[in-house]
Amino acid sequence: GESVGLHLPTLSVQEGDNSIINCAYSNSASDYFIWYKQESGKGPQFIIDIRSNMDKRQGQRVTVLLNKTVKHLSLQIAATQPGDSAVYFCAEKTHFSGGYNKLIFGAGTRLAVHP
Amino acid sequence: DAGVTQSPTHLIKTRGQHVTLRCSPISGHKSVSWYQQVLGQGPQFIFQYYEKEERGRGNFPDRFSARQFPNYSSELNVNALLLGDSALYLCASSLGVGNEQFFGPGTRLTVL
Repeated sequence: GESVGLHLPTLSVQEGDNSIINCAYSNSASDYFIWYKQESGKGPQFIIDIRSNMDKRQGQRVTVLLNKTVKHLSLQIAATQPGDSAVYFCAEKTHFSGGYNKLIFGAGTRLAVHP
Repeated sequence: DAGVTQSPTHLIKTRGQHVTLRCSPISGHKSVSWYQQVLGQGPQFIFQYYEKEERGRGNFPDRFSARQFPNYSSELNVNALLLGDSALYLCASSLGVGNEQFFGPGTRLTVL
């Protein structure tokens, strides 16, 4: 069945280091992926997205890499800051007949940034 | 502009009761989606509504229902509550069914 999962449930990094969060997906037909950040008591917040016709996309301090061969996504955060501490989810957008779509989320990785 | 708003923030119910959760989308957004997020897991899709019609439904029992009003706000109803319904219920709005979804802060439901 469809699933989007993560390799690591928690990740601890030192402030200033780079962070890499990984994600595997199973639906090879998926064409759009999103990374979300969720802070305590808040809803998921969009970070960056990537379409399946791309291998890499860069934002401000964040980069998403997509490897379609092994169905793997990663989120790289440069110079990690305490404010980056949160749970990070990858999500896969799946389209259905009738024009609707849903997001399939992974379980999440908690990023803890230590000073 | 205000983002997606949800009410109430927190709610405590007992088994067998019913609950109504409310969502107001971002102004101009016509689509609302509902997700259930159990503690320690990612959100799970429940419904998507567009222009007051249900456009998609996830793998949830018939105890879960929703509707969307002419002003595009939405309600999620859950009947005959079970302990396992305890979760954070998230509402997301988008311009249309295929556009980026913006999430609200969620309603934390606890079923005792």
